[in-house]
Amino acid sequence: AQKVTQAQTEISVVEKEDVTLDCVYETRDTTYYLFWYKQPPSGELVFLIRRNSFDEQNEISGRYSWNFQKSTSSFNFTITASQVVDSAVYFCALRGYSSASKIIFGSGTRLSIRP
Amino acid sequence: DAGVIQSPRHEVTEMGQEVTLRCKPISGHDYLFWYRQTMMRGLELLIYFNNNVPIDDSGMPEDRFSAKMPNASFSTLKIQPSEPRDSAVYFCASTRRGAFEKLFFGSGTQLSVL
Repeated sequence: AQKVTQAQTEISVVEKEDVTLDCVYETRDTTYYLFWYKQPPSGELVFLIRRNSFDEQNEISGRYSWNFQKSTSSFNFTITASQVVDSAVYFCALRGYSSASKIIFGSGTRLSIRP
Repeated sequence: DAGVIQSPRHEVTEMGQEVTLRCKPISGHDYLFWYRQTMMRGLELLIYFNNNVPIDDSGMPEDRFSAKMPNASFSTLKIQPSEPRDSAVYFCASTRRGAFEKLFFGSGTQLSVL
């Protein structure tokens, strides 16, 4: 069985603060893929990143960074120097190699950045 | 390039009525997914197609739900008869083989069943 847990339902920080969104996953597959998607107030989900299970290198893209740790089955997402435009719901997702193209999403974390 | 196009954006209907949601995937994409988003259950995969063929419909909640993909550029999700608990945002997403983890989502259909 596959499962994605985002324990933080809502987070609110003041602009320019750093914030980390947690994601913990479960899968029996040895090969799998992890993702983060952003859902801004407009509603449409936007792809942010994909990570393969055999690549544990952390990734940085501007103010965004992702920390993948297989030992703890976590794939956390950090926004540095947050901005109001970062306000959105963020989803972590998982696709196991054995589950073909079935992508399972976590319940999402609603991030609010206060000016 | 046009993205995934869903229609209608909003649908309000009465319990018992038939509802049809429509989706046009991005041209060249051979995978199409239907998701449902609710506060209680989050984002759930209902069904997905590959080359117009349904591959996994295990997420379809009941026989009241059906989905079709008659050609590569069009898919429908039908609910008959609709019930208030079907109220949700329904998303369609598409991708192409080799890049299929990067889903491209439509804007969603906000369905309200009264």
